Amino acid sequence: AQSVTQLGSHVSVSEGALVLLRCNYSSSVPPYLFWYVQYPNQGLQLLLKYTSAATLVKGINGFEAEFKKSETSFHLTKPSAHMSDAAEYFCAVSGRGSYIPTFGRGTSLIVHP
Amino acid sequence: GAGVSQSPSNKVTEKGKDVELRCDPISGHTALYWYRQSLGQGLEFLIYFQGNSAPDKSGLPSDRFSAERTGGSVSTLTIQRTQQEDSAVYLCASSRGGGREKLFFGSGTQLSVL
Repeated sequence: AQSVTQLGSHVSVSEGALVLLRCNYSSSVPPYLFWYVQYPNQGLQLLLKYTSAATLVKGINGFEAEFKKSETSFHLTKPSAHMSDAAEYFCAVSGRGSYIPTFGRGTSLIVHP
Repeated sequence: GAGVSQSPSNKVTEKGKDVELRCDPISGHTALYWYRQSLGQGLEFLIYFQGNSAPDKSGLPSDRFSAERTGGSVSTLTIQRTQQEDSAVYLCASSRGGGREKLFFGSGTQLSVL
């Protein structure tokens, strides 16, 4: 069984501030973890993924996420928010042996000038 | 094609009518997924196809929902006797197969049941 919890349906930051989007997962087997982003009126696209190599994963547009097994977390961060980062962000988990990713409910990132 | 293509992009139908939603995956991708996206509900898994294996239908919400994939490529999701609660965005995704592979998503079909 696998599940994902994204804390906060909306996160609001000022331009230039740190972005932190939280994701906690549950998986009965070692997981693969993903962050996807959905820009307004666009389809979902992959930001980054963890597949058991380095625990700190770097993605596109300056985002990164750290896999912490002890905390069952995979939080997404970016040091400095840009207006163009405003979007819906989804965390997903796929347990090894399961080929069907389970998605969280999403977090809407709002960036204020 | 260059990406996952879904049609129609928008579909308005009356309660009780049947609808068909089409997905054309990336060429060579063996895995195909259907998800449903409702406001504030995230992505809800519906059905998964992998090559010639029997599909995983565990996410279909009722027997009014069915899907097929012909020739290992194009897929059609059919909803019979539509209800207002079926209104949502239906997303199709494809991948090279395997849990570690990323999904490539289409732009979705916005279904509105009046």
